[in-house]
Amino acid sequence: GIQVEQSPPDLILQEGANSTLRCNFSDSVNNLQWFHQNPWGQLINLFYIPSGTKQNGRLSATTVATERYSLLYISSSQTTDSGVYFCAVERRSNYQLIWGAGTKLIIKP
Amino acid sequence: DGGITQSPKYLFRKEGQNVTLSCEQNLNHDAMYWYRQDPGQGLRLIYYSQIVNDFQKGDIAEGYSVSREKKESFPLTVTSAQKNPTAFYLCASGQRDTQYFGPGTRLTVL
Repeated sequence: GIQVEQSPPDLILQEGANSTLRCNFSDSVNNLQWFHQNPWGQLINLFYIPSGTKQNGRLSATTVATERYSLLYISSSQTTDSGVYFCAVERRSNYQLIWGAGTKLIIKP
Repeated sequence: DGGITQSPKYLFRKEGQNVTLSCEQNLNHDAMYWYRQDPGQGLRLIYYSQIVNDFQKGDIAEGYSVSREKKESFPLTVTSAQKNPTAFYLCASGQRDTQYFGPGTRLTVL
């Protein structure tokens, strides 16, 4: 089956720093999504990004489908950015999402 | 307010008991999903339903059952056949490009 690998597994930064999170996937997929899970467990969708680049405020994402990776950029980090960032890819055969193990981000004040 | 609600937030179960987790949405979404999350891991799909009275198994359906009698509701039953049910359970609804998640139910087997 499809393998989804995220790196780094953990990241600790000072407030105001920039960061890049990576997601590699092992096979062709229909699409890719990025999610954020806050420390209380609530998940929200950040980007639906099968290819190309999208930006939303301080966050942006780029997916290069032909090379099977996606990057999530966070600029000028704030403490509220802390949590776990997941990427999930949609399996071509049945449209189900396959999730990576996440990158745990801690932003220190 | 529109959204997805899950109850209870915390649930404790004795071994051998079945328990049912509630998931309700008022977003008028056709599709609903149940995921399991274990510590330090991503989500794994248990069951999903794309329309009322129809549902499909996900990757880890063994030991679980669901029903979809109403568009708004998609309850999950964790049966005694599930060997390791302690986990965080998340319900979602939406379309392929966006899934909206409930706050989750943390199930602990004593």
